[in-house]
Amino acid sequence: DAGITQSPRHKVTETGTPVTLRCHQTENHRYMYWYRQDPGHGLRLIHYSYGVKDTDKGEVSDGYSVSRSKTEDFLLTLESATSSQTSVYFCATQDANTGELFFGEGSRLTVL
Amino acid sequence: RKEVEQDPGPFNVPEGATVAFNCTYSNSASQSFFWYRQDCRKEPKLLMSVYSSGNEDGRFTAQLNRASQYISLLIRDSKLSDSATYLCVVNDPEYGNKLVFGAGTILRVKS
Repeated sequence: DAGITQSPRHKVTETGTPVTLRCHQTENHRYMYWYRQDPGHGLRLIHYSYGVKDTDKGEVSDGYSVSRSKTEDFLLTLESATSSQTSVYFCATQDANTGELFFGEGSRLTVL
Repeated sequence: RKEVEQDPGPFNVPEGATVAFNCTYSNSASQSFFWYRQDCRKEPKLLMSVYSSGNEDGRFTAQLNRASQYISLLIRDSKLSDSATYLCVVNDPEYGNKLVFGAGTILRVKS
C-alpha cells in the first residue's frame, strides 16, 4: 500500500475557527487530491494538485484552500469552519501510470 | 444529472449467491473505469480496473458497455467478507487524470 498519512484523524472544532488537515505521502506521486465524503453524496472532489505549487479547484471548493509546497505534503485549510463542513475528509495520491488512487485513512471533522 | 450514478442498494444476499451491480456514466468520452471497495469507516481501495474487453479477477467480473455508457460488476459465490460499499469510478475527460466517484452500492452478504 502507498504510504499516505493524514492528520489529525479526528477533530472537533467550533464554527468560525480555522482548521488545517495535513496529508503526507512517501510514494513521490505527482497528483494529490482532497475529497470529502458525506452520506448520499459519495466522494466529492474539493481541490487537487498536479505538482508542487500547482493546484486547482474541484467541484466543492468553496470555503476551502490548499497548499503544496513540496511533493510529499498537501494541506487542506478551512479558513472559517462551518457546520456544513462536518464530514470525513480523504486525501489521495494517484499513480500516473495506472490511474489508481491510493487513499489515506481519512480525517473525521465535526464542526459544532 | 449526476456524472456517475449507482443504485445505492442495499443489496442483501445469502452466502454463495451471485450479485451484479450496474453503474452509468454521463460523458461518452470517458476512458478510464474502476471499481473501488470501501469497508465501513475505512478508506476506499481499488478492487479492479475495467477494461474494454471485460476482465475477471477470481470471483469478480467487470464489464464495460460503451454504447449504453455503463459498467457492471458481477460477484459470484458471495462471501460474508464481500460485505462493503462498492464505488464506481470514471475519469473526467476534461481533466484526464481526475476521477469522479459514484455514491456507492451497499452489499450485505448474510449467512
